[in-house]
Formats: sequence, C-alpha cells, structure tokens
Amino acid sequence: EPEVTQTPSHQVTQMGQEVILRCVPISNHLYFYWYRQILGQKVEFLVSFYNNEISEKSEIFDDQFSVERPDGSNFTLKIRSTKLEDSAMYFCASSSSRDRAGELFFGEGSRLTVL
Amino acid sequence: AQSVTQPDIHITVSEGASLELRCNYSYGATPYLFWYVQSPGQGLQLLLKYFSGDTLVQGIKGFEAEFKRSQSSFNLRKPSVHWSDAAEYFCAVGADNDMRFGAGTRLTVKP
Repeated sequence: EPEVTQTPSHQVTQMGQEVILRCVPISNHLYFYWYRQILGQKVEFLVSFYNNEISEKSEIFDDQFSVERPDGSNFTLKIRSTKLEDSAMYFCASSSSRDRAGELFFGEGSRLTVL
Repeated sequence: AQSVTQPDIHITVSEGASLELRCNYSYGATPYLFWYVQSPGQGLQLLLKYFSGDTLVQGIKGFEAEFKRSQSSFNLRKPSVHWSDAAEYFCAVGADNDMRFGAGTRLTVKP
C-alpha cells in the first residue's frame, strides 16, 4: 500500500540552527501539507502546497518556515533558525484531490527537538 | 471558519466496556469528517470518514461513528474496547484546502 514517508524520524538541533525535514508523498498525489503537533497538544495546520506554490498557510508558518518541492518526489519543510518552541512532531501529508472529499494520508512524523 | 471540539481530554474505560468519544464541529457547509488514531510516538492512522450518505459509518478495528447534523456531532463508538485501543484519538473536519483537527482525546484502557 502506498504511503507517505518522512525523514528523519527524530532530529535534535541547537537553537538557531537550520533544519530541513523531508517527505516523500504518495507518488500520484498533487497536494501536500505540513502539520505540527507540540507534545501533548493538538495537531495544527502549517501549510498546504500545490502546483509548486503555497496554497494556504497558517499564522504559525512565519518567515522562518519555507517549503519546497525540489524534485519530482520530495517535499521539504525548512526552518531557517530554530527556536525552542519549534520542538514538536512534524507531520507531512498528501492528497490526490483538493476537494474536501480528498483524504489526507499522513506520514509517521519527524520529531524535532530544539535545545 | 471551521473548527472541531473534542470535549473530553482523557477517558478511561475498562477492557470489554463500550466506548464513545465525542466530537462537535463547526462548519458552514456540509462537513467532511474524519477520525484518526495516534499511538504513542506514531503517526496518524485514519479510522473512518464521512462524506455523505449513510450517517452511520463503519471503520477499521471495529469502530463506527454517527453523523448527526442537528447536533453538529460525529461521535466515535466501539462496543467492546481492547487494551490495544489505548491511544490518542483525533476528530477532524475537512476544509476546502486542508484539514482541521480537534485537540484529541486520550483513551486509557484498564485491565
């Protein structure tokens, strides 16, 4: 069964460092998403991406964040200068459809710890 | 704007007992509703979804959910809980461009 894969599963970094989280969406999907879950809290929407541009972003997704689809398979989330409060589990998701009927398929998540 | 409320932060049930997890939503149009389960340290697994049609939907692992438009609810149920059901459960509403999640309900199963 096709699945969304994310790497790394866990990354520890120093405050102020740049981090890149990688995702390989399901191959025929066109819509890509990043969500964040701070420990013990709800899953929060960060950004959606379609046709090589951001479709929507939340207030969390400030100038420190960027997304990119550098090739035909990867979808990355970059945090330029990490802060302590960026420590969270980051989930990538993909969908075949923009319509609300489309189901989002989630990866296993990348846990980011900022020290 | 769409939103999802899960009133119960934590629920404890005995193994073999029935379970109902509550979910209320706010959305301007007919909602598309989902329940996901997250085991500790794991990703999100889809249990079931409602798009249209029969308001009682069946999912994996013996779960079901009922959409009640009059109550703006989409409660998750299971007739007999197993110890392996202990996890975090998230209700979500599908928006035009993304999905919004509730805060989650943590389920503890007592032996």
